[in-house]
Order: sequence, then C-alpha cells, then structure tokens
Amino acid sequence: GAVVSQHPSWVICKSGTSVKIECRSLDFQATTMFWYRQFPKQSLMLMATSNEGSKATYEQGVEKDKFLINHASLTLSTLTVTSAHPEDSSFYICSARQGLTKNIQYFGAGTRLSVL
Amino acid sequence: KNEVEQSPQNLTAQEGEFITINCSYSVGISALHWLQQHPGGGIVSLFMLSSGKKKHGRLIATINIQEKHSSLHITASHPRDSAVYICAPYNTDKLIFGTGTRLQVFP
Repeated sequence: GAVVSQHPSWVICKSGTSVKIECRSLDFQATTMFWYRQFPKQSLMLMATSNEGSKATYEQGVEKDKFLINHASLTLSTLTVTSAHPEDSSFYICSARQGLTKNIQYFGAGTRLSVL
Repeated sequence: KNEVEQSPQNLTAQEGEFITINCSYSVGISALHWLQQHPGGGIVSLFMLSSGKKKHGRLIATINIQEKHSSLHITASHPRDSAVYICAPYNTDKLIFGTGTRLQVFP
C-alpha cells in the first residue's frame, strides 16, 4: 500500500525555537496533504489542508503565522512550528491523498513534539 | 453533541473473543474510514467504505448509510489487536474523527 513518511518521529526543543516537520509520500503523488494535532487521550484535530503549489487552508482557531505549512512538491509538505511554546507540545500527524482517490488518506507515523 | 460517537469508549477482552465497535454519525458523508492507532501513535487505515460490508482477514467493517451507523468487528481477537480504533467519516472533503475506542485484549 501507499506509504507516507513523517520525520522526525520525536523532537524536543527549547521554548522560542522553531521546529520543522516533514511529510513525504514515498510511492505516489500527493495533491493534498493534511496536518493534524492530537493531545493525549483526545481525537485528532485537523489543523490545515495543504494543496501542492498553493497556500494552505487553515481551520478556525489555528494561527497560520505560527504553524507555517509549505507544500512545494507533489511528494513533500512541511509544517514549521514557529517560536514554539510548551502549550504547542503535542502529537502532530500528517496524511496524504492522491488526486484521483479522493476518499482515501494515508497517514504518517506522527511526530511527538515536546517544548521545554 | 459530537458529530461522531463511538461506543464503547474502552473495551477489554480475552484472547479469542469476538469484538464489536460501533460508530454513529450525524452528518452526511461520502465514505467512512476505520483507523487503528497503536500506542506509539502511528495510524493505519483499516478500511474505507461507502456502503455494505468489507472483510480483511479477521476484521469486518459494515456501514448503513441510511441509519448513519458503522460497525467494526474483530473475530478471534488477539493481544496484538490492542490499540485505539477510530471511526472517521468523510464530510465535505474532510475527515471527522470519533474519540476512539481503546481496546485491550488479554492473553
């Protein structure tokens, strides 16, 4: 099946620094990628939808200047958490969707971010 | 009220038992995913279905679009099935996630 690679799987950073998370589709072209956040024992929450070559669409309440998303190619999207604070500590998951199979999403393994 | 309700929230079972997890949703959907999230966090899509029933190994998923209800069944459960199972319908091109069912299967 289709594979989505997410890197890093785990990152610790100091408050005020920026962290970049990569999401790659390894064997297919992902016209759309999604970024989710999950707090402990809670459900996934969609942060933003990213289409290749265009600006990301952010969900209500998600700060676009804090969570920078870039989808420069059909196989790579990045999420940068800028000026990270302890409250940004969470589990971030990406998923990717092929253009023709609109209802199927393939998920990355997630990135656990801890901000000290 | 949540748009997606799963039951039960927590489930424990002995190895070999038949497991059923239910999902009810209140919005119109085009399809529905059943996802499995392991303790490390990684998510695997088990099924994507828009009608009827699908079977993969010991897993069976059913959906009734008219009743807005889907079920996930696990036959002959095994400790390695221990995970969180998440129902995620598609609504307006986005997935809406249920809160998940935490399953623990004991040997």
